[in-house]
Amino acid sequence: NAGVMQNPRHLVRRRGQEARLRCSPMKGHSHVYWYRQLPEEGLKFMVYLQKENIIDESGMPKERFSAEFPKEGPSILRIQQVVRGDSAAYFCASSPPFNTEAFFGQGTRLTVV
Amino acid sequence: QQQVKQSPQSLIVQKGGISIINCAYENTAFDYFPWYQQFPGKGPALLIAIRPDVSEKKEGRFTISFNKSAKQFSLHIMDSQPGDSATYFCAAWRTSGSRLTFGEGTQLTVNP
Repeated sequence: NAGVMQNPRHLVRRRGQEARLRCSPMKGHSHVYWYRQLPEEGLKFMVYLQKENIIDESGMPKERFSAEFPKEGPSILRIQQVVRGDSAAYFCASSPPFNTEAFFGQGTRLTVV
Repeated sequence: QQQVKQSPQSLIVQKGGISIINCAYENTAFDYFPWYQQFPGKGPALLIAIRPDVSEKKEGRFTISFNKSAKQFSLHIMDSQPGDSATYFCAAWRTSGSRLTFGEGTQLTVNP
């Protein structure tokens, strides 16, 4: 049973470009969470999704950021018109229904140049 | 209400010693308390977790102690080893449809 898969592992974007981060949850997991981690800092919640639904997006910046978890395929975190302040590690976690345990992927490290 | 406070921010322990990290929460609706271990460049890995109906849980050298009345829980690492050097995050979860709330993290260094 593969773990949570995130790709790409590293992503470099120029200011103003779009970044797309993908997360494939563990088999049988229908809940996905995205967190952002700045260097030497903690994990900041961004968004919680279930299949085809956004449950809690209270941690998402109001502009430029969006997330989806379609019926088929991975969850996508999309950052439009990236700025240098978006440089961070983005982690995805997944859990099964009834939220018993959450497992993290290895993250995508976004660098905006 | 959603905060989880973690201390200390950093901890240095000698090999063979006991590492203790503490967390406190406010929201009494939290019903699941995991600890995660993170090595540089890696994702957080679930280490051990406890529910509030249990006061202590032990897995190998790792023990969680839980004090429901004080709304505090702690991680104890016995016989700490240099390989335990990592950042540790406590978390709290209201499993009926919510998300993990993390503490600020503790950077543990175990000296040989």
